[in-house]
Amino acid sequence: AQSVTQLGSHVSVSEGALVLLRCNYSSSVPPYLFWYVQYPNQGLQLLLKYTSAATLVKGINGFEAEFKKSETSFHLTKPSAHMSDAAEYFCAVRDNAGNNRKLIWGLGTSLAVNP
Amino acid sequence: DTGVSQNPRHKITKRGQNVTFRCDPISEHNRLYWYRQTLGQGPEFLTYFQNEAQLEKSRLLSDRFSAERPKGSFSTLEIQRTEQGDSAMYLCASSLVEPGGADYEQYFGPGTRLTVT
Repeated sequence: AQSVTQLGSHVSVSEGALVLLRCNYSSSVPPYLFWYVQYPNQGLQLLLKYTSAATLVKGINGFEAEFKKSETSFHLTKPSAHMSDAAEYFCAVRDNAGNNRKLIWGLGTSLAVNP
Repeated sequence: DTGVSQNPRHKITKRGQNVTFRCDPISEHNRLYWYRQTLGQGPEFLTYFQNEAQLEKSRLLSDRFSAERPKGSFSTLEIQRTEQGDSAMYLCASSLVEPGGADYEQYFGPGTRLTVT
């Protein structure tokens, strides 16, 4: 069975500081991994995805993530936080074991950006 | 492309009442997913459709829940005899899976927030 663990339910950074949101996965098959962002009262927006190509993936809004098989990790980073980055961030692994391709989600990390 | 839309955005209902939500996916997408998200949790898979066929239902989907996608376009999710534990955000997502198996990411709607009093 596949699963995702997001370490840290709340992360607080200062504006301009590095953002690091942690995600570890468990998968019996090569995983497809995703980061989504959710702003208050809005749906989930895809930030970036890993689908077995380049291990360093660049996404929207300056975010990037690196797939590390040896560490079973897919941490999300951004060099310099903006106030507008404050949101809930979800890491997800796609169920590639069957045909449904559903997403299996972590519990989310709430990012606060302080001025 | 107007994205995935869901209606209503908010629904307050009394315990025991029936509710129905609608999802309109991106027009060319053949897959449609329903997820449920409770406060402080990540989304949980409920069910999905390939065109009009409902191919899988989660054990989370009790007999009070039913979903349809009659013409392979929009979908409805109905909850009968609502319970307070049904209070959650119900999310719809759509994606395109090509005949050869290649597929693309899931696009999410804004969700329908259900409150059962």
